[in-house]
Amino acid sequence: GENVEQHPSTLSVQEGDSAVIKCTYSDSASNYFPWYKQELGKGPQLIIDIRSNVGEKKDQRIAVTLNKTAKHFSLHITETQPEDSAVYFCAASYPYGGSQGNLIFGKGTKLSVKP
Amino acid sequence: DTGVSQDPRHKITKRGQNVTFRCDPISEHNRLYWYRQTLGQGPEFLTYFQNEAQLEKSRLLSDRFSAERPKGSFSTLEIQRTEQGDSAMYLCASSFMTGKRSKNIQYFGAGTRLSVL
Repeated sequence: GENVEQHPSTLSVQEGDSAVIKCTYSDSASNYFPWYKQELGKGPQLIIDIRSNVGEKKDQRIAVTLNKTAKHFSLHITETQPEDSAVYFCAASYPYGGSQGNLIFGKGTKLSVKP
Repeated sequence: DTGVSQDPRHKITKRGQNVTFRCDPISEHNRLYWYRQTLGQGPEFLTYFQNEAQLEKSRLLSDRFSAERPKGSFSTLEIQRTEQGDSAMYLCASSFMTGKRSKNIQYFGAGTRLSVL
């Protein structure tokens, strides 16, 4: 089955700096890769996602890149702000063709942005 | 609030007791997922429904766990004879799958935190 590895487990940056979180997946059939942000006491919130037929996607300060050959995908946050502090999860899925489409999550990265 | 709602938010129970959690998905979402999240880990898939049909169960879902989604609306997750190892956050997510090319974007509720004493 699918396995998703996520690094680093903790990341501390200064406000205004960039943050990068990296994930690898094992199943080449996976073709949908969302990123979730989870704040304390809340459920995961989708912040950006990418399909396998796209190499990069950007939404304001957040961008995701995907390397299908290497089975790597990364989250990039630029101009970090204290409110970006949270736990970030990457996930992989094969949602198409009637499959169950459940998400396989990485173990998370705790991002701390220092003012 | 039209998001996914879960009830209760917190549940404390004694070992051996039965507990039931409820999830109300986003209106008209045809898929509903249950995940379990332990401290320091990502959510792990438990089971999912397509409308009222339960189509898949994870090996994590022992025979003490049962889930229902009557009429394809809200869902309940019951744990019988709770054990200390069941202590975790139980998350519900819903999505709307429109066809073979749909991304199946899953929206999560805030979860029910279970503590088994």
